Amino acid sequence: AQTVTQSQPEMSVQEAETVTLSCTYDTSESDYYLFWYKQPPSRQMILVIRQEAYKQQNATENRFSVNFQKAAKSFSLKISDSQLGDAAMYFCAYRSLPNAGNMLTFGGGTRLMVKP
Amino acid sequence: GAGVSQSPSNKVTEKGKDVELRCDPISGHTALYWYRQRLGQGLEFLIYFQGNSAPDKSGLPSDRFSAERTGESVSTLTIQRTQQEDSAVYLCASSRYPSGGAADTQYFGPGTRLTVL
Repeated sequence: AQTVTQSQPEMSVQEAETVTLSCTYDTSESDYYLFWYKQPPSRQMILVIRQEAYKQQNATENRFSVNFQKAAKSFSLKISDSQLGDAAMYFCAYRSLPNAGNMLTFGGGTRLMVKP
Repeated sequence: GAGVSQSPSNKVTEKGKDVELRCDPISGHTALYWYRQRLGQGLEFLIYFQGNSAPDKSGLPSDRFSAERTGESVSTLTIQRTQQEDSAVYLCASSRYPSGGAADTQYFGPGTRLTVL
């Protein structure tokens, strides 16, 4: 079974600064998907970014980018130019390829606080 | 263009009562998932439906939990004889399947917060 670990229960960043959230995972599979989801107080899980493990290039979505280190089984999220609206819980998640299990396995989350 | 919707938004019940939680997936999404999120924790997978295939029930914590789905539309999660440890937010997600790639991204509803007194 796969496991996902987020070792930072809380992080704080100054508005306009950069912050990196850590995520490690454990799997015996060679191909899979990784995700970062954001959960604001509204409870709605919002997809921030996804990475296919077979792609060497790190995914980027505007101010959000990842550092995917497959050998180290590490998948960190970098938020640049942090904004007050970025304050939320962030969850890292793992998913096997289709036909090998379709559910997401989540880490315990990191609460991000953004200081004005 | 509507997203995943869930009802009720909040549910308070007494220990021992049965509850039903509803999920309306995005139109055209064949896959539907239920997750549970206890306070301050990540999401735990409960059950997965894909088209007319038998559901994957491997995450259901006990036989008090069950779920149904009508075709590729509405799903109902039922918890019988609720216990205090069932208190959590129950989240539903849907996705297109099985094309893979970005099309199988899971989109979540706002969840139902269940409180068992």
